[in-house]
Amino acid sequence: DVQLVESGGGWIQPGGSLRLSCVGSGFSVSGDYMHWVRQPPGKGLEWVSIIYSGGATRHADSVKGRFIISRDNSENTVFLQMNNLRAGDTAVYYCARGGPPSGYTAMDAWGQGTTVTVSS
Amino acid sequence: QSALTQPASVSGSPGQSITVSCSGTSSDFSGYNYVSWYQQLPGKAPKLIIYEITNRPSGVSNRFSGSKSGNTASLTISGLQAEDEADYYCNSYTTSDTYVFGTGTRVTVL
Repeated sequence: DVQLVESGGGWIQPGGSLRLSCVGSGFSVSGDYMHWVRQPPGKGLEWVSIIYSGGATRHADSVKGRFIISRDNSENTVFLQMNNLRAGDTAVYYCARGGPPSGYTAMDAWGQGTTVTVSS
Repeated sequence: QSALTQPASVSGSPGQSITVSCSGTSSDFSGYNYVSWYQQLPGKAPKLIIYEITNRPSGVSNRFSGSKSGNTASLTISGLQAEDEADYYCNSYTTSDTYVFGTGTRVTVL
């Protein structure tokens, strides 16, 4: 079974940094597309970042220059390094996979999410 | 990167059919058929229910169907059931090689 488990969330002051992790099982993160998606409290989903199987990355304009997506193939883990955090980054952060069941075009497996709170 | 536009809420009685729309620009939809839909139950992670406009993943009820005309995609739920009460989000791959979600629609079963 495909599973994704996020960790690394917590409370952080504005301007601080945090690194989220997403461990995959039942598949290889290096062979599929891996996304980060966030959801502020009581609000809708916002796409954040993607790392393609070839290693290329893309980020939403709202986080470009502050967030970096990466992966460790040996640990089958995807990371989201979040720098210069703002109150508006407060959200549940989900890791999601784009894999063969959806032709890599959609997010066919999701983790349970990890909560990031940015506040002074 | 503005969100795709969805109605805030749609409701229907059990057994009825409802449709949720998802509107954007030509840049939002990129010219590829990479439109997907997600169901999110309260307190849960989203679940993929439609990909590439019309395709259902294995295990998803055939009461869910998708379509697209111009710059508007649609999700139809037929034979509405109480268990369908949830938030629904569309998503599309864009010309900027990024993805964008819709604003979300709360479906209520009366």
